[in-house]
Amino acid sequence: GENVEQHPSTLSVQEGDSAVIKCTYSDSASNYFPWYKQELGKRPQLIIDIRSNVGEKKDQRIAVTLNKTAKHFSLHITETQPEDSAVYFCAASLPGGGADGLTFGKGTHLIIQP
Amino acid sequence: GAVVSQHPSRVICKSGTSVKIECRSLDFQATTMFWYRQFPKKSLMLMATSNEGSKATYEQGVEKDKFLINHASLTLSTLTVTSAHPEDSSFYICSARGQGAETQYFGPGTRLLVL
Repeated sequence: GENVEQHPSTLSVQEGDSAVIKCTYSDSASNYFPWYKQELGKRPQLIIDIRSNVGEKKDQRIAVTLNKTAKHFSLHITETQPEDSAVYFCAASLPGGGADGLTFGKGTHLIIQP
Repeated sequence: GAVVSQHPSRVICKSGTSVKIECRSLDFQATTMFWYRQFPKKSLMLMATSNEGSKATYEQGVEKDKFLINHASLTLSTLTVTSAHPEDSSFYICSARGQGAETQYFGPGTRLLVL
């Protein structure tokens, strides 16, 4: 089955700086890669996703890049703000969602230092 | 759109009792629902996948007789923790997705405390 590795586990950046979180996946058939943000005690919220027919997608301060050949994808957050502090999870799934749905990475705790 | 609710948000029960958690998709038909367990500062651990009208598929190590899942309609799935014990205390989260869709939308979670 699919295996998703996520790094780093904790990331501390100064407010206003950029943050980058990286994930790798093992199943070359995976073609859907969402990123979720989870604040303490809350539900994971979808913040951006990308499919394997594109290499990059951007939504305001958030961007995701995908390298299918290397089987890795990254989340980029620019001009970080205190409200960006949360745990971020990457995930991967097969076309159509697959029988098992999403395979999640272990999460990155992003800390924005004022 | 794509709103998923979960009830209750918090529950405290005595050891040996059963607890039912409901997961509802409010504005779409959820052909598949997923149940996760999350420990503090840890990732989401998939417990089981349920397709509407079918028996749930449980992940390895998850006792199906202890965690009963029912997905009787396209908008409702339930997880019943039977004969709960303190080690079952955890944050339980459901997610739902529509037919042929990859995106999963999460419920707000249920914090279970077994005394």
